[in-house]
Amino acid sequence: DIQMTQSPSTLSASVGDRVTITCRASQSISSWLAWYQQKPGKAPKLLIYKASSLESGVPSRFSGSGSGTEFTLTISSLQPDDFATYYCQQYNSLWTFGQGTKVEIK
Amino acid sequence: EVQLVESGGGLVKPGGSLRLSCAASGFTFSSYSMNWVRQAPGKGLEWVSSISSSSSYIYYADSVKGRFTISRDNAKNSLYLQMNSLRAEDTAVYYCARVRLVEGYFDYWGQGTLVTVSS
Repeated sequence: DIQMTQSPSTLSASVGDRVTITCRASQSISSWLAWYQQKPGKAPKLLIYKASSLESGVPSRFSGSGSGTEFTLTISSLQPDDFATYYCQQYNSLWTFGQGTKVEIK
Repeated sequence: EVQLVESGGGLVKPGGSLRLSCAASGFTFSSYSMNWVRQAPGKGLEWVSSISSSSSYIYYADSVKGRFTISRDNAKNSLYLQMNSLRAEDTAVYYCARVRLVEGYFDYWGQGTLVTVSS
């Protein structure tokens, strides 16, 4: 089974900050990685697929990079609507989610 | 507009059974693989099960293998999850999610249905 590890678990930031979340896979997953945003009481929302492709309708301040075993999600300028929990997901072999990164207000 | 609406959640005793449903609309349901994903209270997302468009390929997480059964009825645009031998650790919000065509990630999710396993 492929394990996904996100860091940090919690991130405190201010509006306008550049934020980076890291996701590591226990083995190579090529670029078969997605990022989701989840707000309390809501379903996850797709942000990024294939490691760096931006889903339609998602603001361009979100970007993804990486391949193999190390990936990052970057928010270039944090907005009030971005305070949420973010999950990475590998889909190279079945599906596995990272444990999540909560982005909270500093 | 793509819509996924789960139902069937509720309170059940340990060892009991429950059947979840996911009603799909706004797309050609029979063309898409579908999944169930769960989230225990205050915890992260856990993939549970997957079924291909024609039910030819079915997969389960080890945590539910042998107890849960995924199925679909393409004529009714519906996805199901039969959950047997339920345990306290199965308590979670259960989401159905669509797999984007020819891809592997989940592009649409339902709002979820809460399953509580408790005596």
